[in-house]
Amino acid sequence: EVHLVESGGGLVQPGGSLRLSCSASGFTFSTYSMHWVRQAPGKGLEYVSGISSNGGSTYYADSAKGRFVISRDNFKNTLYLQMSSLRSDDTAVYYCAKERTTGWYDFDHWGQGTLVTVSS
Amino acid sequence: EIVMTQSPATLSVSPGETATLSCRASQSVSSHLAWYQQKPGQAPRLLIFDASSRASAIPARFSGSGSGTEFRLIISSLQSDDFAFYYCQHYHHMPPWTFGQGTKVEIK
Repeated sequence: EVHLVESGGGLVQPGGSLRLSCSASGFTFSTYSMHWVRQAPGKGLEYVSGISSNGGSTYYADSAKGRFVISRDNFKNTLYLQMSSLRSDDTAVYYCAKERTTGWYDFDHWGQGTLVTVSS
Repeated sequence: EIVMTQSPATLSVSPGETATLSCRASQSVSSHLAWYQQKPGQAPRLLIFDASSRASAIPARFSGSGSGTEFRLIISSLQSDDFAFYYCQHYHHMPPWTFGQGTKVEIK
């Protein structure tokens, strides 16, 4: 059974940094692209970033470009999101998601999310 | 960036009736369109991929249609468990991809 477990969220001051992790199990992690999606309180889903199966290609929404870095460790079956220069509008639940099949597709499994709160 | 627009924002439906949700893309996304269901406090769940294919374990009362820029999610014989938020998402070409703003299906 596929499991995705996010961690690393918490309270951070504006301008601060945070690294999120997503531990994966139940599938061959190294063969799937992985993604981060966030949801601000009471708002809809927003795509944040994605990374290819071997980590060689990364993609970012404009809101994340230049501030967030996605990475993965295929030996540890873990996805990361390094966030810096955080702003109040980055406050959200951050979900990691697995693509349904290899080759940049929709997301068939999601973690339960980790809450990031940016506030002084 | 492809903009996804969902309508209506809120849909009030009685149990047992049919709900029709719409999603429009600002440019063609072919059939690279997914629908997700989300309940409060839970992660999204994949319902439909490739515009019309049901995901694993999704009941047949959920169906998707469309291609290009116009898509629909139809939920027939609404059950109490179906009252939730629904989001469309395109995955056309490479990321970043975009979601619609969501439709809330509520009990009438």
